[in-house]
Amino acid sequence: AQSVTQLDSHVSVSEGTPVLLRCNYSSSYSPSLFWYVQHPNKGLQLLLKYTSAATLVKGINGFEAEFKKSETSFHLTKPSAHMSDAAEYFCVVSRLNYGGSQGNLIFGKGTKLSVKP
Amino acid sequence: DSGVTQTPKHLITATGQRVTLRCSPRSGDLSVYWYQQSLDQGLQFLIQYYNGEERAKGNILERFSAQQFPDLHSELNLSSLELGDSALYFCASSEQPTGLANYGYTFGSGTRLTVV
Repeated sequence: AQSVTQLDSHVSVSEGTPVLLRCNYSSSYSPSLFWYVQHPNKGLQLLLKYTSAATLVKGINGFEAEFKKSETSFHLTKPSAHMSDAAEYFCVVSRLNYGGSQGNLIFGKGTKLSVKP
Repeated sequence: DSGVTQTPKHLITATGQRVTLRCSPRSGDLSVYWYQQSLDQGLQFLIQYYNGEERAKGNILERFSAQQFPDLHSELNLSSLELGDSALYFCASSEQPTGLANYGYTFGSGTRLTVV
C-alpha cells in the first residue's frame, strides 16, 4: 500500500534563505510523486512531478525535488525563498491501481511555509 | 487558468437547503474528481467519475451525490445542508486515459460553500 508522510507541519524561513520541505513515501512499486502548492483561499497548483524519468525534477517558480529511492524521500527545495512562496505545500503519491475509497492520489497532510521579511 | 472550471466561486446558503456545484474538466480529460477541504478534516476525496461512470467513491455523505454528463462536465449536489458542510470544494481532472493518476491531476480553483 502507498502512503506519504510530510515530516513538518510548519516551516518558517527568512526571505532569501533556502527552503526544504520534507516528504517520505511508502510504496511497494516505483510510484509517481507530486508536489502541489496551495496559496491562501486558492486552488491546488501542480509544482512538479516525478514519473520515473530523471530523479531530479525541476518545477515552477524555482522549486525542485529529488527522488531518492534508497531513502524513500522526495524532498522539495528552493535555493532562495521569496515572500510569494508563503503557502501550503502537499506531497502526493499516486496509487498503482484504482484507489477505492481514498481515490487515486494519496495526499500528505501538508506543510505550511511561512516566509519572514 | 488551469483549464478546470468550477462555478460558482462562492456560495452562501442556509441550513437545510440544496446546492449544485459545477465542474468542467480540461479539454480531453475523461476523469473528474471531487474533493472537500475543511480546516478540521483537511483534503478529503469524495468521488471520481470516468467517462460518465462512477469509478471510485470516498468519504461522500449520503446527502451528497454527483454525476458526469455526456459532455464530461460534472455536478456535485449537496442537500439538507448542515453548518459542517461549509468547506472549499475542489474539482480536478486527469488526462490519463485509464483513469489512473500517474500523470497527476489538474485542480480547479474551487467553490467556497458557506452554510449559515
